[in-house]
Amino acid sequence: GAGVSQTPSNKVTEKGKYVELRCDPISGHTALYWYRQSLGQGPEFLIYFQGTGAADDSGLPNDRFFAVRPEGSVSTLKIQRTERGDSAVYLCASSSSEGTDTQYFGPGTRLTVL
Amino acid sequence: LAKTTQPISMDSYEGQEVNITCSHNNIATNDYITWYQQFPSQGPRFIIQGYKTKVTNEVASLFIPADRKSSTLSLPRVSLSDTAVYYCLVVPNYGGATNKLIFGTGTLLAVQP
Repeated sequence: GAGVSQTPSNKVTEKGKYVELRCDPISGHTALYWYRQSLGQGPEFLIYFQGTGAADDSGLPNDRFFAVRPEGSVSTLKIQRTERGDSAVYLCASSSSEGTDTQYFGPGTRLTVL
Repeated sequence: LAKTTQPISMDSYEGQEVNITCSHNNIATNDYITWYQQFPSQGPRFIIQGYKTKVTNEVASLFIPADRKSSTLSLPRVSLSDTAVYYCLVVPNYGGATNKLIFGTGTLLAVQP
């Protein structure tokens, strides 16, 4: 079946602009996660959704970052007033529920802020 | 969440068995040990998960001693396509947990011909 998909695969923007990154989880997966990965580092947790609600947003670095999942499926990560330090690969993962269920990752969106 | 320590890099040759050891001295009773693999330009991919003793699947084996303070991922007869970064994670299993994954820097395994 289809895995987690993310669009766009690459996004180049200018400092100060607004960007939206989209994640389509595996159908039926109730849990959705966003991570950010900088070069040479492991992924870093940003936010977790269970259904439509953000159950844990403790990883969001500041209030320029926001994510939604209005219908409990597709999620959008929104970044306002982008900064060069926001450049990274943004990864989305989904799992069927909480607990130790496997998280399935998408290929990521590479964001470059010029 | 338990912190993990693993080698930064390892080298191997095709056909060899590779063992990557991870230490997690502060692992809690409810924690599971999970390994992910990541190729360049891809998201991490689940390899194997275990709680104690030995777990084996079609890809790898995971050995966990009785004290659970370390674990060893064993990849049999590696090939060039096994060149990747391997992450060891400790994942809590209790109701209501976020179960966000805490990644370290992983082990870069380079397989040579």
